[in-house]
Amino acid sequence: DSGVTQTPKHLITATGQRVTLRCSPRSGDLSVYWYQQSLDQGLQFLIQYYNGEERAKGNILERFSAQQFPDLHSELNLSSLELGDSALYFCASSARTGNTGELFFGEGSRLTVL
Amino acid sequence: AQSVSQHNHHVILSEAASLELGCNYSYGGTVNLFWYVQYPGQHLQLLLKYFSGDPLVKGIKGFEAEFIKSKFSFNLRKPSVQWSDTAEYFCAVTAYNTDKLIFGTGTRLQVFP
Repeated sequence: DSGVTQTPKHLITATGQRVTLRCSPRSGDLSVYWYQQSLDQGLQFLIQYYNGEERAKGNILERFSAQQFPDLHSELNLSSLELGDSALYFCASSARTGNTGELFFGEGSRLTVL
Repeated sequence: AQSVSQHNHHVILSEAASLELGCNYSYGGTVNLFWYVQYPGQHLQLLLKYFSGDPLVKGIKGFEAEFIKSKFSFNLRKPSVQWSDTAEYFCAVTAYNTDKLIFGTGTRLQVFP
């Protein structure tokens, strides 16, 4: 158990819909990262938050947004869903920022868009 | 932009065979390098990391990796694999003092008894 909790574990929805994925980092970790893992593109970095503020941005679509709340949990919002958004979405946390050390990953949320 | 290439997408070995998984990165500056492993049904976890110093780093479960700066490589090795090493292995890199951890596409290792 990494200490990072993601919900839901599985989600099936239809095209055009909106979903929210939730992540609770390890106790005390201030940084939260979101990754998308798909068969054709591997693990893609989406976005990182540190203590409530956006820290780094990757290949995140405009239809996607994220935030980190004062209690440090984070949510990834995916809207106007398309078939190609079907993927495993991972959250990870770390204690600090810069000179990134070890990331602790959750077990992922598997999204299926039909 | 940084990128990471893992040349072997799927490797099949018998137990006790030696393993070497290739990883090359593209970035001209100082980097931090990582290997993560994902066992079936489990989350990604850190196998080993290189920040500076001795370019040969040892990780958990008998794995090691060698950073060769001139080749932009960070290959993962294990002298004798076990069935329990069956997993997906990801090489990753961050540019020095940044937070963006960029992963390779992963190598699926299957070890048969």
